[in-house]
Amino acid sequence: SQQGEEDPQALSIQEGENATMNCSYKTSINNLQWYRQNSGRGLVHLILIRSNEREKHSGRLRVTLDTSKKSSSLLITASRAADTASYFCATLIQGAQKLVFGQGTRLTINP
Amino acid sequence: NAGVMQNPRHLVRRRGQEARLRCSPVKGHSHVYWYRQLPEEGLKFMVYLQKENIIDESGMPKERFSAEFPKEGPSILRIQQVVRGDSAAYFCASSPFRGAQTVTGELFFGEGSRLTVL
Repeated sequence: SQQGEEDPQALSIQEGENATMNCSYKTSINNLQWYRQNSGRGLVHLILIRSNEREKHSGRLRVTLDTSKKSSSLLITASRAADTASYFCATLIQGAQKLVFGQGTRLTINP
Repeated sequence: NAGVMQNPRHLVRRRGQEARLRCSPVKGHSHVYWYRQLPEEGLKFMVYLQKENIIDESGMPKERFSAEFPKEGPSILRIQQVVRGDSAAYFCASSPFRGAQTVTGELFFGEGSRLTVL
């Protein structure tokens, strides 16, 4: 079964609104990362949060991590049409040497 | 500064043929990962390689699939006797350090190779 599961699977909002995506995972992790994938393209790294961190910011992105609940959220503020993409969380499981990806959230920003 | 280069971008094969996908990592990166993505799904880990070594192939089917990362040249993902279920996008990613436990931990992805099996 998937280590990371995103919620919701799809999200459609108006430009300028905030978008929040959630990720849950099952086992202990070293870090959790968020990636973006535009249609037909490769993945682009957005932000990484370590297991001992609770919140991190990068531009319009805000990531939180709650290791007690094994969950993370990605907030994109003041969304733009160019933010339309799929967003994936990926976990680096303790003792492993690979990132395990969730199923992704398809975000659509309507102009 | 070239990123991860994958070729071919698109590949069409008939059932029973072989598919060979190539990946040149970011210059200086010595660790390569291969992932498979089905339409509308996430990425599934296949294999992790260092130069001349397979470190973790737990996600790769035991039959028909093989991967290598030679001392010189690109990493190759080879699929023999392809079947329709092999149709997918195959992504390569590279990392400069052991696993993904770098200062940033990020993987650098190529644009993918899209395999269609007729």
